[in-house]
Amino acid sequence: AQSVTQPDARVTVSEGASLQLRCKYSYSGTPYLFWYVQYPRQGLQLLLKYYSGDPVVQGVNGFEAEFIKSNSSFHLRKASVHWSDSAVYFCAVSAYSNNRIFFGDGTQLVVKP
Amino acid sequence: EAAVTQSPRSKVAVTGGKVTLSCHQTNNHDYMYWYRQDTGHGLRLIHYSYVADSTEKGDIPDGYKASRPSQENFSLILELASLSQTAVYFCASRADRGYTEVFFGKGTRLTVV
Repeated sequence: AQSVTQPDARVTVSEGASLQLRCKYSYSGTPYLFWYVQYPRQGLQLLLKYYSGDPVVQGVNGFEAEFIKSNSSFHLRKASVHWSDSAVYFCAVSAYSNNRIFFGDGTQLVVKP
Repeated sequence: EAAVTQSPRSKVAVTGGKVTLSCHQTNNHDYMYWYRQDTGHGLRLIHYSYVADSTEKGDIPDGYKASRPSQENFSLILELASLSQTAVYFCASRADRGYTEVFFGKGTRLTVV
């Protein structure tokens, strides 16, 4: 089965600073990788996803993620954060051999003015 | 735009009472999921289904039942609600396994008193 680890429960950055949220997955086959965002009192929304091709994938609102197979990582990045980016971010992994999608525990992002 | 509608959006239930949370999707998706989210925590899978009239146990099925009477509807049933089941519950759907996006409802906030 697959699993996801997000080692940082909470990350605080200043507005305008760059951001990296870490994600490591565990799966021996070809993973399908996702980043979701959850704003307060809402469900999760897809930011981006990756399966193959260019290891740097672009998402919504200036977010991007890089797939590094050798490190089993799929870190989320943004060049310059805005206060409205404050939310909880979830990394997820799926596989066609499995009916499920596995989520990490999430990283709460706090953007300071 | 894919739509997953949960009802009710919030509920207060009495310990020992029966609670039914409903989920309706208009996406024509085969896969549906029920997750639980506790304050400050990630998502935990309770039950899921990939075809009408069939459900599967997730990671924390104890104390919960699920029902999928049609492709569009997926219910979560707490036969004997307990204080420990106070949480936010999310329903989600996806078209297929693997690389497809999961669409989430807005959540149901359940408080058991």
